[in-house]
Amino acid sequence: QKEVEQNSGPLSVPEGAIASLNCTYSDRGSQSFFWYRQYSGKSPELIMFIYSNGDKEDGRFTAQLNKASQYVSLLIRDSQPSDSATYLCAVLSGGYNKLIFGAGTRLAVHP
Amino acid sequence: GAVVSQHPSWVICKSGTSVKIECRSLDFQATTMFWYRQFPKQSLMLMATSNEGSKATYEQGVEKDKFLINHASLTLSTLTVTSAHPEDSSFYICSASRGSGRRSYEQYFGPGTRLTVT
Repeated sequence: QKEVEQNSGPLSVPEGAIASLNCTYSDRGSQSFFWYRQYSGKSPELIMFIYSNGDKEDGRFTAQLNKASQYVSLLIRDSQPSDSATYLCAVLSGGYNKLIFGAGTRLAVHP
Repeated sequence: GAVVSQHPSWVICKSGTSVKIECRSLDFQATTMFWYRQFPKQSLMLMATSNEGSKATYEQGVEKDKFLINHASLTLSTLTVTSAHPEDSSFYICSASRGSGRRSYEQYFGPGTRLTVT
C-alpha cells in the first residue's frame, strides 16, 4: 500500500464548477497535510495546509481533513482554466520532518 | 516572502562529468533544505534532507557518494551529481523550510533544475 494515494485522473470539470480532489494516507500518526499545485514543467507551489479535522477555507480553495478516515480533500470552487494543473497531496511523515507526496491528480478545467 | 531560487534552471552534460546545482533561500533563513527528484509523469521523490552545518540524511536507495549535498549556510545548499549517467537525467527540485513549531514543516520549492546527461 502506498503511503499517500491519489487518483491520477485526469479529472475534467467545466469552467465555473467545483473540482473535488481526494487523498488518502496510511500513517495514522501524521498530523500535517499539504496541497501543492504543479504546472507542467514547473516546481510545486504550496496552496494550503491543514492540521485540524474539519474544513479550512482560503479564497476559492477549501481543504477538508478527516483523520479518523485518514482522508484529506481539496475543493476548488468556480474552477478556472488556469487551475488546470497537477495537484499533489503531501503528508508530513509522523515523527519526521519530511513530506511524503502522492502521485498527484491531473485537473483539466475546460471552458 | 519565502522565495527559493535554483541555479542553473537547466543543464546538459556529458556522461561521466559532475554537475553542481545550487539552492538558495532569498528572503528567509532556511533551517532545513530538501532535495527531490522527479521523473516524467511521476511524483516527487525525496532524495535527502540537510540542515545547515550537518551531514545530509539520505533516503533509502539514494547513493550518498554519487549525490553530494553541502549545506554551507542558512541560505545555501548545493547538490553535486558526480559521474553523471543518462539515467540521472531528471528534474531536480530543492525546497526549504523556515520558522518554528508547526510552520517549520511548510516547504517552499525552488523552480527546479532540469538535468540532461548525454
